[in-house]
Amino acid sequence: GAGVSQSPRYKVAKRGQDVALRCDPISGHVSLFWYQQALGQGPEFLTYFQNEAQLDKSGLPSDRFFAERPEGSVSTLKIQRTQQEDSAVYLCASSLKHGTRANQETQYFGPGTRLLVL
Amino acid sequence: KQEVTQIPAALSVPEGENLVLNCSFTDSAIYNLQWFRQDPGKGLTSLLLIQSSQREQTSGRLNASLDKSSGRSTLYIAASQPGDSATYLCAVTRGSTLGRLYFGRGTQLTVWP
Repeated sequence: GAGVSQSPRYKVAKRGQDVALRCDPISGHVSLFWYQQALGQGPEFLTYFQNEAQLDKSGLPSDRFFAERPEGSVSTLKIQRTQQEDSAVYLCASSLKHGTRANQETQYFGPGTRLLVL
Repeated sequence: KQEVTQIPAALSVPEGENLVLNCSFTDSAIYNLQWFRQDPGKGLTSLLLIQSSQREQTSGRLNASLDKSSGRSTLYIAASQPGDSATYLCAVTRGSTLGRLYFGRGTQLTVWP
């Protein structure tokens, strides 16, 4: 079956531009997560959705970052007025549900979007 | 705040060796722990998930153990192969933070023929 997909795979932006990154989770997955991975680091949590509700956005680094999942499926991470420090790989993950049996909590990751801000 | 540390940062071994990768975490109040594999230019692939009430999980040549009280986990890879070359990441979740994963920096493994 289809896994988590993300688009675009690569994005080059000029400093100050706005960007939008898309995530298509596995069909039927309730939970959706966004992570940011800088070069040589582990992924850092950005935000979490359960269906269309954004339950945790404590990891968003500034108010330039905004995420939505209006219909509880596809999600978009938007970065306004991009800065060089935003350069990273943005990973999306989905899971069937949190808080139940172990095999429903495994997070499945997409290939990521590599963002380079010049 | 939950801190996750992985040792070693990099490991290079000949094919056939048995390996141990280490992960430690500062807050023992975890919900579960996962080991992931990351290949260059690709996303993360979940290898094993251990619930906080479990001591170990096995999948093929992989075995992960969890000692929650001491804040440690190990990933054991038996009879390593060149195809095992990748970065291995350890991550934990806390019951209070809705599935959010706290990651270590990873161990970059190279297995040469």
